[in-house]
Amino acid sequence: EVQLVESGGGLIQPGGSLRLSCAASGFIVSNNYMTWVRQAPGKGLEWVSVIYSDGSTYYAASVRGRFTSSRDNSKNTLYLQVNSLRAEDTAVYFCAREMATSSDALDIWGQGTMVTVSS
Amino acid sequence: DIQMTQSPSSLSASVGDRVTITCRASQSIGKYLNWYQQKPGKAPKLLIYAASSLQSGVSLRFSGSGSGTDFTLSINSLQPQDFATYYCQQSYNTPRTFGQGTKVEIK
Repeated sequence: EVQLVESGGGLIQPGGSLRLSCAASGFIVSNNYMTWVRQAPGKGLEWVSVIYSDGSTYYAASVRGRFTSSRDNSKNTLYLQVNSLRAEDTAVYFCAREMATSSDALDIWGQGTMVTVSS
Repeated sequence: DIQMTQSPSSLSASVGDRVTITCRASQSIGKYLNWYQQKPGKAPKLLIYAASSLQSGVSLRFSGSGSGTDFTLSINSLQPQDFATYYCQQSYNTPRTFGQGTKVEIK
């Protein structure tokens, strides 16, 4: 079965760090473009980052310099290192796969992991 | 960044109605437009990609159209399971921005 399972969220103080994980099964992470999307409580979807199959990355301006996307090919797992956390980073974080077509839509999503930034 | 604007932000409809949601891009994006459905507490689900292609397994009641800057998502014969929030997303360039969402509620 093709699926993504996130973990690593939790309650963290402002300025703190977390590493979110996204374990894939049924397909190879390194062969795909992998994306992080977040959703603040009661708000819409916000695109966060992408890691391309060649390992290059791109980030939303709101997280650039604080968040880092990476992957471990041996574990078929995607990561999002989130540093210098702020209250406005409180959200459910989803990982998702971009379709291997010209449309680049997000066809496979994880269930999400909640990050709460609060003192 | 490309701005995506959906309208309306919310709507009330009855079972059996036909519903149309629009999405406008701040610049031309060709057909690089995708639609997602999200229910409370769940991950989004891809409905339509490349503006008008139905994702595998998605009901034929859903359809998409448009190109350039103006797009629509239509739902024929609204069913109870269709009450949800719908988002458009451009995949023309990075960052791949989303619309603000349209909540479809039961009248």
